[in-house]
Amino acid sequence: AVQLVESGGGLVQPGKSLKLSCSASGFTFSSYGMHWIRQAPGKGLDWVAYISSSSGTVYADAVKERFTISRDNAKNTLYLQLNSLKSEDTAIYYCARKWTVDYWGQGVMVTVSS
Amino acid sequence: DIQMTQSPSLLSASVGDRVTINCKASQNINKYLNWYQQKLGEAPKLLIYNTNNLQTGIPSRFSGSGSGTDYTLTISSLQPEDFGTYFCFQHNSWPYTFGAGTKLELK
Repeated sequence: AVQLVESGGGLVQPGKSLKLSCSASGFTFSSYGMHWIRQAPGKGLDWVAYISSSSGTVYADAVKERFTISRDNAKNTLYLQLNSLKSEDTAIYYCARKWTVDYWGQGVMVTVSS
Repeated sequence: DIQMTQSPSLLSASVGDRVTINCKASQNINKYLNWYQQKLGEAPKLLIYNTNNLQTGIPSRFSGSGSGTDYTLTISSLQPEDFGTYFCFQHNSWPYTFGAGTKLELK
């Protein structure tokens, strides 16, 4: 079965950095594009970034120049490097599979606060 | 960016009811429209992809329709486990965007 498990979240001060990971199993990770999608507490869903199977990337304007999506196919792992964090980045961050977004992980909480 | 306007934002219904949720895109999204269900504290679950394709394992009481800018999710006979929040999502063009959600609650 497809499984996606996020890790690396936590409480971080504004302006600081954090790196999220998403460990994938149950499918051929290297063959699929992957997304990061976030959800602020009590709010709707916001698409954040996408990386294709060939490592091409696309970002939402709100995170461009601050966040970097990457992947390590040998480790079946997706990453999101979050820099220059702002309070409005506080959210649950989900990784999700495929350009059509079929399977999601359970999410990891990132709280940006002083 | 493509704006997704979802309605209603809140829907009260009873078990056995037929319910519809609508999503209107600000431009043609060529049927690249998915529907997700989210329950409290859980990740979203894909129900329908590309307008009218039922995801594996999803009951047939869920169906989708639409074209161009207007799309609909229909639940033919509401079951107790169907209550939660529903989101539409367009993956026609970057940046991908979601509707604001419809909370389906028990009347």
